[in-house]
Amino acid sequence: GESVGLHLPTLSVQEGDNSIINCAYSNSASDYFIWYKQESGKGPQFIIDIRSNMDKRQGQRVTVLLNKTVKHLSLQIAATQPGDSAVYFCAENYNKLSFGAGTTVTVRA
Amino acid sequence: GAGVSQSPRYKVAKRGQDVALRCDPISGHVSLFWYQQALGQGPEFLTYFQNEAQLDKSGLPSDRFFAERPEGSVSTLKIQRTQQEDSAVYLCASSFGTGNIYTEAFFGQGTRLTVV
Repeated sequence: GESVGLHLPTLSVQEGDNSIINCAYSNSASDYFIWYKQESGKGPQFIIDIRSNMDKRQGQRVTVLLNKTVKHLSLQIAATQPGDSAVYFCAENYNKLSFGAGTTVTVRA
Repeated sequence: GAGVSQSPRYKVAKRGQDVALRCDPISGHVSLFWYQQALGQGPEFLTYFQNEAQLDKSGLPSDRFFAERPEGSVSTLKIQRTQQEDSAVYLCASSFGTGNIYTEAFFGQGTRLTVV
């Protein structure tokens, strides 16, 4: 089975609110994790990454949290905008990138 | 080029036909990956090149799938005797790093293959 998975396939969020997307992974040897955003008809676009020796990393409007104890990863998007509507994938990198099925985020105006 | 370029963007093939999908990675990127993405699913790993060497082809679903990168730059994914289950988007990605070196992988827009 897949080693990376997301908790919810869809997420609807009001514009301006914060979004939280969750991901569980099963390979405890994975030491690097990436969040990708994929818009319709496009390839995945890098958002933010985190190494296993960290538990939090912040970017512009995004924060990734890593809990190695429970093998859980989350992506927080602050002040969600209509342009944030997309499918979000977490991926773990252990020799190769392995993706979960994705969470579709829809931003309501 | 500025990014990873894939061609064609769309390909319709009759069942049993052979197809070739091309990937132009970002100049200077050592690593190149191919992924298959079925509708509504995440990308599934197919194969990995470090320069011209194919280091991992564990994800290729059958011996009908073949990939090459003869000069360590452009790569071609070939599918022989296409079948309907091959219909998917084929994504190519490249990165500067190698193996477990932590560098960002940039994806192309993909080739949507439809087998009829």
